Amino acid sequence: EAGVTQSPTHLIKTRGQQATLRCSPISGHTSVYWYQQALGLGLQFLLWYDEGEERNRGNFPPRFSGRQFPNYSSELNVNALELEDSALYLCASSAGTGGDIQYFGAGTRLSVL
Amino acid sequence: QKEVEQNSGPLSVPEGAIASLNCTYSDRGSQSFFWYRQYSGKSPELIMFIYSNGDKEDGRFTAQLNKASQYVSLLIRDSQPSDSATYLCAAYTDKLIFGTGTRLQVFP
Repeated sequence: EAGVTQSPTHLIKTRGQQATLRCSPISGHTSVYWYQQALGLGLQFLLWYDEGEERNRGNFPPRFSGRQFPNYSSELNVNALELEDSALYLCASSAGTGGDIQYFGAGTRLSVL
Repeated sequence: QKEVEQNSGPLSVPEGAIASLNCTYSDRGSQSFFWYRQYSGKSPELIMFIYSNGDKEDGRFTAQLNKASQYVSLLIRDSQPSDSATYLCAAYTDKLIFGTGTRLQVFP
């Protein structure tokens, strides 16, 4: 069974540009979560999507947004990139909502120059 | 601000010893707790989860939860050099809150 897949593996952008990161959950999982892990910092919760709806949002500005498609895959968009957005972005999925076990993808490393 | 606190380490233990990793959480409404292992440059992988007070054992790993003290721990028995990684504690209320992780070093 395939795990959570993320693309691209690496993404290099310049300040002010937009970045789009993609995630496909484990088959049968309906919830998708996005996290940011900046160097030396812990995982910070960004967004949670379930059944196509945004269920919860972390303490990030509105330029971080996303969506979930009918096939439960998800997209994270970061607009007006800033240098401090450089981080590893991790996607996770779970079979149920809320406190169910979350399984992580390999991540997308975003570098903003 | 809901928080999960961990000692950043590094925690150094000899091969074969018991490694004890600790975590406290601030939100008494936290319902479920998770331990993830993260190797450098890799994504987190689930080691243990625990929902109820007490101990839960899985192979060399034991998770302990004390909701009254808001304390979660992970014991690793017979530590191996391959256990050297950062261990992330997480607590769930309306979202999963992670600690910053404890770096474990197991030396031969």
